[in-house]
Amino acid sequence: SQKIEQNSEALNIQEGKTATLTCNYTNYSPAYLQWYRQDPGRGPVFLLLIRENEKEKRKERLKVTFDTTLKQSLFHITASQPADSATYLCALENTDKLIFGTGTRLQVFP
Amino acid sequence: DTAVSQTPKYLVTQMGNDKSIKCEQNLGHDTMYWYKQDSKKFLKIMFSYNNKELIINETVPNRFSPKSPDKAHLNLHINSLELGDSAVYFCASSLLAGANNNEQFFGPGTRLTVL
Repeated sequence: SQKIEQNSEALNIQEGKTATLTCNYTNYSPAYLQWYRQDPGRGPVFLLLIRENEKEKRKERLKVTFDTTLKQSLFHITASQPADSATYLCALENTDKLIFGTGTRLQVFP
Repeated sequence: DTAVSQTPKYLVTQMGNDKSIKCEQNLGHDTMYWYKQDSKKFLKIMFSYNNKELIINETVPNRFSPKSPDKAHLNLHINSLELGDSAVYFCASSLLAGANNNEQFFGPGTRLTVL
C-alpha cells in the first residue's frame, strides 16, 4: 500500500542546533516533493520544492535532500531558533495531486 | 492584502444541517483546492478546480459539492452534516494545475464542528 511517513513524535532540540526531519514514502514515484510549515490554527505555508532530478535544495537556513533510491527526503534547519517551532509537513506529487504526510512537530528550546 | 481568505473561520452546527464555506484568492491563480484536515492533522485533498472546471474529485461523499463561480472563488457546500464531517477545511490556490510542480497557497482554515 502507499504510505508517507514522518516522525509522529515531536522533535525537541536546543536553539542553535540543526534540526533534521525525515519523510519516507512507499509505493510512490513522485516527480517532486514539497515541504510546508504549519503553525497552530493556521494554514500550511510553502517552504521548499525539490524535483526528482535534484539531490539538494537550499534556502537560507533550510536545506532539503531527495533520495529517490531510498525513497526519502530530509529537511534540515540549521542554527535553529525558537521561532522555527512549528509542524513541518512533507508533500509529494502523485498523479497531479499533492499527498501530505502527517507532519512532525518541531520544538526549539532557548 | 490576504492572499487566500475563507469565511467563516469557525462553524458550529447541528447534525443534519446544510452549510457553506466560502473561499477567495486575490493572487490571480488558475487553480483552487479544498482540503480536509482531521483531528490527527492528516491533510487530504478533496477537490480541485482549474479555471472554474473540476479537475480533481477525490472519494468524497456527494453531500459535499464544490462550486466555482469564477476562478478567484471556490465555495464548498455540505448537505446533511454528519459528526464525522467535523474537521478543519482549508482552501488553497496555485498558479497552475497539477504536474507543473508549483507551490500551493493555503487559506487560514475553517474549523467545522458538528454537534
